[in-house]
Amino acid sequence: QVQLVQSGAEVKKPGSSVKVSCKASGGTFSYYGISWVRQAPGQGLEWMGGIIPIFGTPNYAQKFQGKVTITTDESTSTAYMELSSLRSEDTAVYYCARDSKPYDSGSPPFDQWGQGTLVTVSS
Amino acid sequence: EIVLTQSPATLSLSPGERATLSCRASQSVSSYLAWYQQKPGQAPRLLIYDASNRATGIPARFSGSGSGTDFTLTITSLEPEDFAVYYCQQRSNWLTFGQGTKLEIK
Repeated sequence: QVQLVQSGAEVKKPGSSVKVSCKASGGTFSYYGISWVRQAPGQGLEWMGGIIPIFGTPNYAQKFQGKVTITTDESTSTAYMELSSLRSEDTAVYYCARDSKPYDSGSPPFDQWGQGTLVTVSS
Repeated sequence: EIVLTQSPATLSLSPGERATLSCRASQSVSSYLAWYQQKPGQAPRLLIYDASNRATGIPARFSGSGSGTDFTLTITSLEPEDFAVYYCQQRSNWLTFGQGTKLEIK
């Protein structure tokens, strides 16, 4: 059973950047898509983008184009999400989530989630 | 972008009652629809995938139905631990979530 463990909470100043990590253990990393999902305080879930590690080319939701950069390091089975030009509206919990099936299995849901990382943007 | 609209926003029921949650897509998503449960302070948990398939370890009181644009999550005989927020998600065209339905104790 794969486990996703995310890096700890961050407090950032407006205009700065933050990079959150998501380390996978206990399963195959390279062939399963990893996505990042944002949840602002008291709000719903919002897909930011995703990546299949073996291919390395991310896809981003239109809203986050130019704002987020998603990468992976196959050698450490870790995915990263970097958010730039932070504003107070970026204060949220950020989750990584893994596809339930390998990349060639259609459109799978997320069956494993990280514990979430709270990013607080405040001056 | 495919918009998923969930209804109702809040559903107030008692343990033992039946819950029916709706998710409507702005265009067909075929059967590429999933349901998640989220409790306060926790990550979402996959309940249903491909519209009607229960995920591993999900109790039989949870069931999903529908295809195309209209989907339903049904919870028969609510247990105390079922009171949470439920989200639908499509992956037919990119990926979007519904805004959620809060299932609260009446």
